[in-house]
Amino acid sequence: ETGVTQTPRHLVMGMTNKKSLKCEQHLGHNAMYWYKQSAKKPLELMFVYSLEERVENNSVPSRFSPECPNSSHLFLHLHTLQPEDSALYLCASSSWTAPNYGYTFGSGTRLTVV
Amino acid sequence: AQKVTQAQTEISVVEKEDVTLDCVYETRDTTYYLFWYKQPPSGELVFLIRRNSFDEQNEISGRYSWNFQKSTSSFNFTITASQVVDSAVYFCALSVRETTDSWGKLQFGAGTQVVVTP
Repeated sequence: ETGVTQTPRHLVMGMTNKKSLKCEQHLGHNAMYWYKQSAKKPLELMFVYSLEERVENNSVPSRFSPECPNSSHLFLHLHTLQPEDSALYLCASSSWTAPNYGYTFGSGTRLTVV
Repeated sequence: AQKVTQAQTEISVVEKEDVTLDCVYETRDTTYYLFWYKQPPSGELVFLIRRNSFDEQNEISGRYSWNFQKSTSSFNFTITASQVVDSAVYFCALSVRETTDSWGKLQFGAGTQVVVTP
């Protein structure tokens, strides 16, 4: 498989549930990103991983916990979410030394918190 | 600091009309890249074009064209003879050279929703 793959595509979870979003890339990239896209809001960068180390965390609540076990996989672990966390969560990857070549995005996971 | 402004929130056109999306950027760096991405209803952001700050040549790809003007810090995108399949959100983005060996993350604009009706 090529490109960036995100699973699941849709997720409905209760506020007390624990779930994980998965992102996988086979592009040889060494940087991965989580973005949140809420209705009628700009893309919000949540986390950045370079060479499997977190290099940025943009004041994201602790109920979101990222994990990057290797350069090809990125997870976003979710627990005790709020309804306002409902959004499209996008994963992207790039070359860390050359993001100027652009990011490759996955199709996103559409999350609904009930 | 860098900033990308897409002042148009939504543009509605009838099929076959041309539509131009504005993008204005701010940066003090002289070396940077500009991008356009398309986000159809399926959600994935699709890369359309990358342009570096030293290349002001306009580009045409099929029905798409881009007008880069450093003098006005603009990188506008035109869809000629629009089609219903062009309905999407379009994002402009900027990446600046932070050091000799590193580039900053992509800075996205707020996006412009294009609605093309038959």
